[in-house]
Amino acid sequence: DAKTTQPPSMDCAEGRAANLPCNHSTISGNEYVYWYRQIHSQGPQYIIHGLKNNETNEMASLIITEDRKSSTLILPHATLRDTAVYYCIVRHYNNAGNMLTFGGGTRLMVKP
Amino acid sequence: DAGITQSPRHKVTETGTPVTLRCHQTENHRYMYWYRQDPGHGLRLIHYSYGVKDTDKGEVSDGYSVSRSKTEDFLLTLESATSSQTSVYFCAISESARREETQYFGPGTRLLVL
Repeated sequence: DAKTTQPPSMDCAEGRAANLPCNHSTISGNEYVYWYRQIHSQGPQYIIHGLKNNETNEMASLIITEDRKSSTLILPHATLRDTAVYYCIVRHYNNAGNMLTFGGGTRLMVKP
Repeated sequence: DAGITQSPRHKVTETGTPVTLRCHQTENHRYMYWYRQDPGHGLRLIHYSYGVKDTDKGEVSDGYSVSRSKTEDFLLTLESATSSQTSVYFCAISESARREETQYFGPGTRLLVL
């Protein structure tokens, strides 16, 4: 199973871009990279996912390196409400179905 | 947000009592999942369902059973609750099992077993 490595915490100034890195050096060719976030006491919230190409939606952008061994989630204009734990997940399939394996994540603190 | 509700949202119970948690969806998605979240362990899959009456075990299924009699409802039962089952339980849904299919999560149920 492809594991992910994320910094445990990061700070970002309100209004600035937040760039959250993730390493997944053992990722397989058909495994997707997913990003979720969890605001305190709430359920995980889907942000974005990608396979090879960079992706953008209304919430964020996902930049995946050409070798797919790392990725960066970009929140273009962070707000205080973006303070949360962000999880980078490599989606794999095993005998328990298409489970999502959440690691420790990055605790992002957006400061005024 | 995906139409997922969980009930109850909070529950306190005693060791040895049965507990049933309910997940209800209005999206008509085929797949439903139960996860638990504990400090230091992230989210771990308990059981999942791939259709009415079709369920399978996840990585931490001991002590739990599930049932799915309707597309919209997925029940998680702790037959005899133990203190180690104190946790936050999340339900999730997805349309299919494909890797590119997103899972959407409910708001969670906080369970305290005394």
